Amino acid sequence: AQSVAQPEDQVNVAEGNPLTVKCTYSVSGNPYLFWYVQYPNRGLQFLLKYITGDNLVKGSYGFEAEFNKSQTSFHLKKPSALVSDSALYFCAVREDYGGATNKLIFGTGTLLAVQP
Amino acid sequence: GAGVSQSPSNKVTEKGKDVELRCDPISGHTALYWYRQRLGQGLEFLIYFQGNSAPDKSGLPSDRFSAERTGESVSTLTIQRTQQEDSAVYLCASSPPSGMSDTQYFGPGTRLTVL
Repeated sequence: AQSVAQPEDQVNVAEGNPLTVKCTYSVSGNPYLFWYVQYPNRGLQFLLKYITGDNLVKGSYGFEAEFNKSQTSFHLKKPSALVSDSALYFCAVREDYGGATNKLIFGTGTLLAVQP
Repeated sequence: GAGVSQSPSNKVTEKGKDVELRCDPISGHTALYWYRQRLGQGLEFLIYFQGNSAPDKSGLPSDRFSAERTGESVSTLTIQRTQQEDSAVYLCASSPPSGMSDTQYFGPGTRLTVL
């Protein structure tokens, strides 16, 4: 069965410092991996996705993520955090198993708090 | 262009009542999804519509939950005889018809509170 783990409930980082939000996944086929961000009282906003090709994916708002097949990880990174990056971040996976449903399996979310 | 819209944004109901939640997907998106987000938890898949194919209802938690979609447009999620454990944010998403790599775009959600 597909699953996603976000081992950290919260990540604290000072503004200007690099940030990493961790995600590991488990699938039996090829994974399609996504990061979404949720600001308070708002829906999820798409940040970036990995489908195939280059392991380093660049997305919105200066975020990037690195796909590591051997470690089954897809960590979200940003070189310099902003206070406005403070939000709830969700990693999600969809498995390429040839099935009809394209549902996403989500992690439990990581709250990113950037201190000024 | 307009994104996914959902209504109402908030719904407070009494235990045992029925509720109906609405989702308007992005125009041209043939795929539509409903997810549930309980407080402090990730999103749980509920149901998936793709064009005229039979929906995937595998995520619906009980027979009190049902959903319909009119063609490739509006969808309604109905919860009958609501229970307190149904309290959650219900999120709708849509995606274009191209394939599994497509991004799902989410609406703002409906926050349901069952008293």
